[in-house]
Amino acid sequence: QQQVKQSPQSLIVQKGGIPIINCAYENTAFDYFPWYQQFPGKGPALLIAIRPDVSEKKEGRFTISFNKSAKQFSLHIMDSQPGDSATYFCAATYSGNTGKLIFGQGTTLQVKP
Amino acid sequence: NAGVTQTPKFQVLKTGQSMTLQCAQDMNHNSMYWYRQDPGMGLRLIYYSASEGTTDKGEVPNGYNVSRLNKREFSLRLESAAPSQTSVYFCASSLGLPNTGELFFGEGSRLTVL
Repeated sequence: QQQVKQSPQSLIVQKGGIPIINCAYENTAFDYFPWYQQFPGKGPALLIAIRPDVSEKKEGRFTISFNKSAKQFSLHIMDSQPGDSATYFCAATYSGNTGKLIFGQGTTLQVKP
Repeated sequence: NAGVTQTPKFQVLKTGQSMTLQCAQDMNHNSMYWYRQDPGMGLRLIYYSASEGTTDKGEVPNGYNVSRLNKREFSLRLESAAPSQTSVYFCASSLGLPNTGELFFGEGSRLTVL
């Protein structure tokens, strides 16, 4: 069964804190790992993505860390802001397919002012 | 530029009723998808269409049918709605190949089955 397991389910941090969201996958055929951000009442939108040949990728305040041997990857949000409050989904896919993604269960993040 | 448009945004059905969720994209994408979102379950793929003229089952296809009407439109039909189908439904599209991992989502259709 193809699965992506995501934790924690919910997370509350103070402004300026560094929330960390973790994901683990089973299928070693996955070779592309995007993260999506979803605001209430909206559809998810691509935030950042990584391939397994890279151990870390940064885009602004968002960083993905990837551990291929452990089949785990995580999202860190540096200097978190109340505007980062949203639901975050990790996902996995095969670069050879047509974009079908397997999503994690989602993490609801609240950043308190 | 509208992106991915879903209709209706809200719908209440009684058990056993049927309905069709409509989705259209204006980005000339090849692939389209229907996901459902439930608390604690994430986004689960119901059906997808890799290209015009093809459709395939995803993780949770039971109780649903789809039609890829043309390159722009991909509809999801519930023939006999059940309370377990109460959910938020998202349509998405992507270029297809090469796979960039980027799906463009609509704003969702919230369905309640009583």
